[in-house]
Amino acid sequence: SQQGEEDPQALSIQEGENATMNCSYKTSINNLQWYRQNSGRGLVHLILIRSNEREKHSGRLRVTLDTSKKSSSLLITASRAADTASYFCATAPYPSGSARQLTFGSGTQLTVLP
Amino acid sequence: GAVVSQHPSWVICKSGTSVKIECRSLDFQATTMFWYRQFPKQSLMLMATSNEGSKATYEQGVEKDKFLINHASLTLSTLTVTSAHPEDSSFYICSAPNSVFGFFGQGTRLTVV
Repeated sequence: SQQGEEDPQALSIQEGENATMNCSYKTSINNLQWYRQNSGRGLVHLILIRSNEREKHSGRLRVTLDTSKKSSSLLITASRAADTASYFCATAPYPSGSARQLTFGSGTQLTVLP
Repeated sequence: GAVVSQHPSWVICKSGTSVKIECRSLDFQATTMFWYRQFPKQSLMLMATSNEGSKATYEQGVEKDKFLINHASLTLSTLTVTSAHPEDSSFYICSAPNSVFGFFGQGTRLTVV
């Protein structure tokens, strides 16, 4: 069963704008990860945030985590057409944090218009 | 980063035939690999965990006789969809994790006609 719910399901923005995607989960986690999937392709790991972290940055990506609300957000700044893809959050359970037990969210389809 | 190669990228087969999908970890040894199924515009659903040298572990509702998994070496896991039917048409993705996150194959688009 899917632990994570993401919203919005679909997001369409203009190039240069920021894109924000949200993920909610239900159980205790060790870490939360974000992945990107281009159409018809596999997933690529973007960033991981641990349960004791509140915010993390990687290039144009900013991830926040609120464990009290069991939610996370992914912000992509200054978006580009090449950012068009589906984005999934995935949670690794507490306490193991094992990638062997990743549970994926429902995904957000991001379209960046040139 | 680690590379996981999945083959074929796409396959079309006739109903009733079997299809084998390969997942290779190219630069590291993977004692465990995962097989996922993804329907259009949906998330990944874990089908089974492939364990090197032992039987695969299947998720609830996944028919082990339908989806045969073999993990004969530390770098190769195969998923065979036996007696495929149109409802088996889907996108199948494998993953070989490190201790923290997953490295995914490119996926295989299976169409059963």
